[in-house]
Amino acid sequence: QKEVEQNSGPLSVPEGAIASLNCTYSDRGSQSFFWYRQYSGKSPELIMSIYSNGDKEDGRFTAQLNKASQYVSLLIRDSQPSDSATYLCAVGMNSGYSTLTFGKGTMLLVSP
Amino acid sequence: ETGVTQSPTHLIKTRGQQVTLRCSSQSGHNTVSWYQQALGQGPQFIFQYYREEENGRGNFPPRFSGLQFPNYSSELNVNALELDDSALYLCASSARGLNTEAFFGQGTRLTVV
Repeated sequence: QKEVEQNSGPLSVPEGAIASLNCTYSDRGSQSFFWYRQYSGKSPELIMSIYSNGDKEDGRFTAQLNKASQYVSLLIRDSQPSDSATYLCAVGMNSGYSTLTFGKGTMLLVSP
Repeated sequence: ETGVTQSPTHLIKTRGQQVTLRCSSQSGHNTVSWYQQALGQGPQFIFQYYREEENGRGNFPPRFSGLQFPNYSSELNVNALELDDSALYLCASSARGLNTEAFFGQGTRLTVV
């Protein structure tokens, strides 16, 4: 059974700090990896996708993937109170009709 | 805004009733997936539709069924509602192929009483 594990948090960081969110997955066949942000009462919003080992940067966000360790992370630089949300890690098989397996999410709290 | 729209946004039903939720996919996307998200949990995959056929199903009973229409919009039907069906139901739209991203609609909050 495919599993995606995340620390539920909350992860508390001060404004301006770097927030580091981590995720591990069980299925070595996984090929696509995503981070979604979900505000309370809202639907998940895609913020990053990564498919190959290494880092991918987009603005204040950096996704890191290590397939050998089955580990994916999200770094948020210069954290803002508006970044306070639950961050969901999702993993897909990328088989042409990929479905996503989600972790339970990590709640991030950024204090002013 | 993702371009994926769901209706209704909120719904209250009585145990044993049936419900239909609707989703319009993003322009250019031909695949629709449905997820159930219980409070405090990550979304759980229900099923996926491509070319009007079910194309993958998660661990949900047959009383969860769906449809996809020629315009790629989709419906999720749940029969014989149970209290545990209370959740946020999410529709995700994507294109077919490798390295595709899925975008969610705003969701339908279903409460079963």
